[in-house]
Order: sequence, then C-alpha cells, then structure tokens
Amino acid sequence: QKEVEQNSGPLSVPEGAIASLNCTYSDRGSQSFFWYRQYSGKSPELIMFIYSNGDKEDGRFTAQLNKASQYVSLLIRDSQPSDSATYLCAGNTNAGKSTFGDGTTLTVKP
Amino acid sequence: EAGVAQSPRYKIIEKRQSVAFWCNPISGHATLYWYQQILGQGPKLLIQFQNNGVVDDSQLPKDRFSAERLKGVDSTLKIQPAKLEDSAVYLCASGRTSGITDTQYFGPGTRLTVL
Repeated sequence: QKEVEQNSGPLSVPEGAIASLNCTYSDRGSQSFFWYRQYSGKSPELIMFIYSNGDKEDGRFTAQLNKASQYVSLLIRDSQPSDSATYLCAGNTNAGKSTFGDGTTLTVKP
Repeated sequence: EAGVAQSPRYKIIEKRQSVAFWCNPISGHATLYWYQQILGQGPKLLIQFQNNGVVDDSQLPKDRFSAERLKGVDSTLKIQPAKLEDSAVYLCASGRTSGITDTQYFGPGTRLTVL
C-alpha cells in the first residue's frame, strides 16, 4: 500500500462544473497536506496547503482535511479547460519529509 | 523573486555512464529537495537537505547516487553508473518553513534518458 493514494483517473468534467479530487494517506505522522498541479511536461506548481481539520478556500479551490479518516480532498469550482492537468497530493511530516501520490488526471471539456 | 534553477534541462547518456545535475534554490530557502519522477508516477523523494546537512536520504540508492549541498546553497546530484531504470525527470525543490509546514517550490526539472 502506498503512503498516499489517489485515483489515477482520468476524471472528466464539463466546463463550469465542480471537480472533486480525493486523496487518502496512511502515515498518521503527516501533519500538513499539499495539492500541486502538474501540466504535461512541466514541474509541479503549488495550489494550496492545509494542516487543520476542515475546509480552506482559495479562490476557486477548496481543500478539505479529515485527519480522523485520513482523507484530503480538493474541490475546483467553475472548472475551466485550463484546469486540465494532473493533480498531485502530498503529505508532509513535521520534519518536512514529503510523500506524494501518483496523481489524478483531470480533463475539463469545453 | 527568481525561481529554482536547474541544469541541464535534458540529458541523454548510455548505461554505465555518469551524469550530474545542478540546482540553485530560491534565495534564502534553507531546505532543498531532490526528487525522481518516473513517467506516470508522483515525485519520489531522494534526499532532503536543511542548509548543508542531510535530513533524509533513506530512499537514495547510495551505491550509485550521491548528492551534496556545499555552503548550504547550490546542490549537485550525481549518478554513477547509470542504469536504464534511472530514466526519469529529476526535480529539485527548495522550501521555506512557515509555521508548522515547509512549502516547496519546484524547479523545471532535468529529463534524463538512459540508453
């Protein structure tokens, strides 16, 4: 079992819809969680991070964390074709060690 | 603010040859990471530096990989000798600690092809 699990997808949503990306983790030592977007052939770019239970909103993005269930999600509202990419979930321990999932590929269809 | 710089961007070598990658982190970032990303997978941490000390190298194949960060700034990652399975993108990231977490910023990566 991988320490951070994500559905590989592809996840396809129509333009304007809400895209929901999910991630589970097994290491209870993970304290903070990051969502990165990676376009094909490019390096990951940080979208947002969360370390407290509950929701955190940043523009069209909302991250949700449930430490009891070891579950992290990212919601993208009003999805745009430019959001089409692979989304990586990562968990960090207090020592800063990061463990990444293998990513979920999102396609937003016009 | 300049981003993380890496070179070269692409490298093609034959198996058993050696190769080195260079990374210059964002100014002031104490933490530096090297990741290996194989096509279709997420980045896998190879080594983490805090200033010029190693924090975690548990997943670094030490029989062939080595890394150093002199003076707590630039870093080099070396593979000697390379194997076919080393074909991947090597990503460098630098981190800034804020509160309880270390936010990482990635460089453009070096795409290595081993023939």
